[in-house]
Amino acid sequence: QSALTQPASVSGSPGQSITISCTGISSNVEIYNVVSWYQQHPGKAPKLIIYEGTKRPSEVSNRFSGSKSGNTASLTISGLQAEDEADYYCCSYAGSTSFEVFGGGTRLTVL
Amino acid sequence: QVQLVQSGAEVKKPGASVKVSCKASGYTFTSYAITWVRQAPGQGLEWMGWISGYSGNTNYAQKVQDRVTMTTDTSTSTAYMEVRSLRSDDTAVYYCAKTTEANYGSVWHHWFDTWGQGTLVTVSS
Repeated sequence: QSALTQPASVSGSPGQSITISCTGISSNVEIYNVVSWYQQHPGKAPKLIIYEGTKRPSEVSNRFSGSKSGNTASLTISGLQAEDEADYYCCSYAGSTSFEVFGGGTRLTVL
Repeated sequence: QVQLVQSGAEVKKPGASVKVSCKASGYTFTSYAITWVRQAPGQGLEWMGWISGYSGNTNYAQKVQDRVTMTTDTSTSTAYMEVRSLRSDDTAVYYCAKTTEANYGSVWHHWFDTWGQGTLVTVSS
């Protein structure tokens, strides 16, 4: 199945907010919050930052938030910090034959 | 603390097989699934498959299902992934991830809350 579509890159200045979109959630599941988001710094393993569309693990900053509308999920990062510069991936349930599919990833640059 | 520790880097020739291990600690292994994800150099994340820590049931990505086998050893809380008939485009970092699941009737949500450090598999003649 096709990967979810994310912008290749986004950028923002410290203190600003940015939003990363993730389009192409299957019509079979778009009514459910079955999206997760991951942050990956260069040379490191990914880290879970959002699950069930809007929930944050306890150790993740509340500057990260998730939302969804129709077949598009979004990740918003507010109060950008230099440490937020990383790659971000969305992931969604794709069906019973192959459970999950990732987006292509978005490189966030903090100017 | 919850931790997944993977085996070391491998260099293989085309056509060979590789088996990567992922040893879990800090949680009840049989209460969670393990998902395997790979990342080719400079590329994005690719979901490869899932194995239940409880039943050993598996689900593989269509792209690799003919060449991949995932297993677990509950006595040592270790998951394994074997890839056969290796090709150059299998060169990647392979990650295992502890997987939490939620069920919405016929729809599932899996999220990967703890990741291994990754294992680089290089396929080269």
